[in-house]
Formats: sequence, structure tokens, C-alpha cells
Amino acid sequence: GEDVEQSLFLSVREGDSSVINCTYTDSSSTYLYWYKQEPGAGLQLLTYIFSNMDMKQDQRLTVLLNKKDKHLSLRIADTQTGDSAIYFCAEKGPGRRALTFGSGTRLQVQP
Amino acid sequence: DGGITQSPKYLFRKEGQNVTLSCEQNLNHDAMYWYRQDPGQGLRLIYYSQIVNDFQKGDIAEGYSVSREKKESFPLTVTSAQKNPTAFYLCAAWEGPDTEAFFGQGTRLTVV
Repeated sequence: GEDVEQSLFLSVREGDSSVINCTYTDSSSTYLYWYKQEPGAGLQLLTYIFSNMDMKQDQRLTVLLNKKDKHLSLRIADTQTGDSAIYFCAEKGPGRRALTFGSGTRLQVQP
Repeated sequence: DGGITQSPKYLFRKEGQNVTLSCEQNLNHDAMYWYRQDPGQGLRLIYYSQIVNDFQKGDIAEGYSVSREKKESFPLTVTSAQKNPTAFYLCAAWEGPDTEAFFGQGTRLTVV
């Protein structure tokens, strides 16, 4: 079945770049997403990428997709303390009508 | 403002009781979803509904029930059959894969 995996924790210093990684198993995934969750809140969409793209950039965010390795990454440039949150990778395959989420990566930004 | 409203934000339940979590949307989306979030396990799909009066089980539906009598509303009942109900519950509405899935602010359920 579908599976999405992420490392649980990442710590960076303010101003550095953060790279959050995600691997997925469903090679037929059509869309891949990054969501952000702040403490005690719901999820907020940061960006998504269609499976025929390799890269997508949106201000400080860069998403890289390696379909061969089924690897997705989110790079946050100039990381700020306000970026501290849990980041979820999610995928949508053609056979499913819901998103499948990874376990989330907690990003801690140290001043 | 368009969005999803979940209530209550915090809920306490005694063992053996059923409890219903509310989810209302004014986005006019057909599809609605319930996810459960546990620490280190991400979000797991409980139930989803693609259209009024129809719903499907997700990956962890045992001990839960839902209804979809109105497009705007998708309440989730946590029954006494759910062995480990303490968790954070998130409701979402979604138009499709190239759009954003909108989430409510969640309900934290604690069994006491």
C-alpha cells in the first residue's frame, strides 16, 4: 500500500537553510504536497508539485522531486524562528480519494 | 471568511461514553475528511465523504461513525468501541488534487 516516510526532527540555526526530506512508495502518485502545522492548530498548505515536475520554487521555498528515487524535499531558505513547526509531506495517488500523510518533521529553529 | 470550523477545541470524555465532534464548512466543497493525529504517527484517515448521504471508511474506521446529511456538515462520533480515543482530530474539505485541502483547527479529545 501507500507509505510516506519522513524523519521526525530537524534543528537549524536562524538564517540557515533547512532541508526536510520525504520518501514515498507509490510510483503512481500524481501530486505531492507540503503542509505546515503550528502548535495546536490545523494544517496549512505550503506548496505542492505535480509529478511531471522536477522542481518548484515559491519565494523562500524550493521543492525538489526525484521520481526515480521517489524522494521529495522541501528547502526553506533563510529559516526564521517563525518557521518552527511540524512539516508534513503528503501524496495523492490516482487510486485514492484522500491524501496520505507522512509522520511529520518537527523543525526547530534556534536563534 | 471561508473555512472549516471544528468544535469544541477541547473535549473530555469518560470511558464508555460516545462523543460527537462537529465539523462545518462554508467552502462549498463536496469532499470532506476526518483524520486522527497521534504524536510521531502523522495523520491517519478515519472516514471521508465525497458527496451528501455517502461516506467511506478510511484506514482506521473501527470505533468511529459519521454522517453526511448536509453538504456543510460532517460530524464524527467516537464510540465506546474505540479502544484508544485520546488524540487530536482534524477535519478537512477538498475540491481535488490540484487544489488546497483546507483543515479545521482540530479537536483534542481526552478520555478521563
